[in-house]
Amino acid sequence: DTAVSQTPKYLVTQMGNDKSIKCEQNLGHDTMYWYKQDSKKFLKIMFSYNNKELIINETVPNRFSPKSPDKAHLNLHINSLELGDSAVYFCASSQALGTSPYNEQFFGPGTRLTVL
Amino acid sequence: RKEVEQDPGPFNVPEGATVAFNCTYSNSASQSFFWYRQDCRKEPKLLMSVYSSGNEDGRFTAQLNRASQYISLLIRDSKLSDSATYLCVVNNDYGGSQGNLIFGKGTKLSVKP
Repeated sequence: DTAVSQTPKYLVTQMGNDKSIKCEQNLGHDTMYWYKQDSKKFLKIMFSYNNKELIINETVPNRFSPKSPDKAHLNLHINSLELGDSAVYFCASSQALGTSPYNEQFFGPGTRLTVL
Repeated sequence: RKEVEQDPGPFNVPEGATVAFNCTYSNSASQSFFWYRQDCRKEPKLLMSVYSSGNEDGRFTAQLNRASQYISLLIRDSKLSDSATYLCVVNNDYGGSQGNLIFGKGTKLSVKP
């Protein structure tokens, strides 16, 4: 019973292509996130969604577009992929918005994207 | 100054050793602090939250010094299974951007038999 799941686990594609990564959580959480972890291992927030509403967009290029069909899903669509987009993308969810010690974020297993 | 700074390590220690990790953060308005653990090629998982008075969970002790903007994690009696990267995490209260966690680069720990 995976709490936060992502597909695909690995994605290898050519520059210029458009791709999507799917995320689903079965925890009943209200808030979901997308993070990017680059080759230097920094984990940075990209987006968060609370009850299907975009809350944060941390200066991410508009080639990246999150889409949430319902509060259990937050997909990430990427247009015109670039070499610099190669990274591991993690989806996460939490009970609510906010970073209190009682609002743990649960991460999915990650999607390793390689752009050639 | 980076928002969250950690010594990247690696820390190579024998089983049973005590090891301490330090972390500094730049935003004095930060209110929530955490240590996450990330195994190689896996997702980060919450190890423990860090409370103002300091807190302990088994072999792990976390301390917070708000005046110095400094967080620490102490691991006693290290086990082989403690080998991982430990991420210092603080929240970002700039402009009311709730839910925005800032992750350090992590400190790599390798426990040897």
